[in-house]
Amino acid sequence: EAQVTQNPRYLITVTGKKLTVTCSQNMNHEYMSWYRQDPGLGLRQIYYSMNVEVTDKGDVPEGYKVSRKEKRNFPLILESPSPNQTSLYFCASSSTGGRPGELFFGEGSRLTVL
Amino acid sequence: GENVEQHPSTLSVQEGDSAVIKCTYSDSASNYFPWYKQELGKRPQLIIDIRSNVGEKKDQRIAVTLNKTAKHFSLHITETQPEDSAVYFCASLLYNFNKFYFGSGTKLNVKP
Repeated sequence: EAQVTQNPRYLITVTGKKLTVTCSQNMNHEYMSWYRQDPGLGLRQIYYSMNVEVTDKGDVPEGYKVSRKEKRNFPLILESPSPNQTSLYFCASSSTGGRPGELFFGEGSRLTVL
Repeated sequence: GENVEQHPSTLSVQEGDSAVIKCTYSDSASNYFPWYKQELGKRPQLIIDIRSNVGEKKDQRIAVTLNKTAKHFSLHITETQPEDSAVYFCASLLYNFNKFYFGSGTKLNVKP
């Protein structure tokens, strides 16, 4: 089954404790991206990657890191989480054929930073 | 950078009526405009999209129109049904930067 898998789905952590949210897709998509969803703000892109070893900042990259060492995986790293990073996070992938198209989203990861 | 504005934030219609959600964008370099539906507690899923070389696209009860000159695009849902109740997001893709920008969402409530 074609899917985007995120882990963990729910996480409560404390300020400053490094964490990683994993994302994996089995559709051989070139494009992968991370979003945060906050009430009234919609979805905001954090980082995206056009292919292996190619990553770029989205609209709200501050406080986040990513890596793309393999085509199927695109982890989101919070080196020193702060309460303002409490949010619902989505990973998404897309085939490109030149430009990304339909985004296939994971189920989301709800993060709370105390 | 790009700015996508979406209206209204909430919309309540009677079953069978039509619903229209509007979005504007600021950067003329945007060239792809998808619409996503997000049911409560679920992930967003694409329902329809349009590229900048097309003015209108229709898929059964759903249609999207694009006015490049005015920089706005709209989602039209006809003969609404209770299962259309969800949050709808418009988005734009900024050409050459491969960045997606989303609107703030419209909560559609279809009353039976």
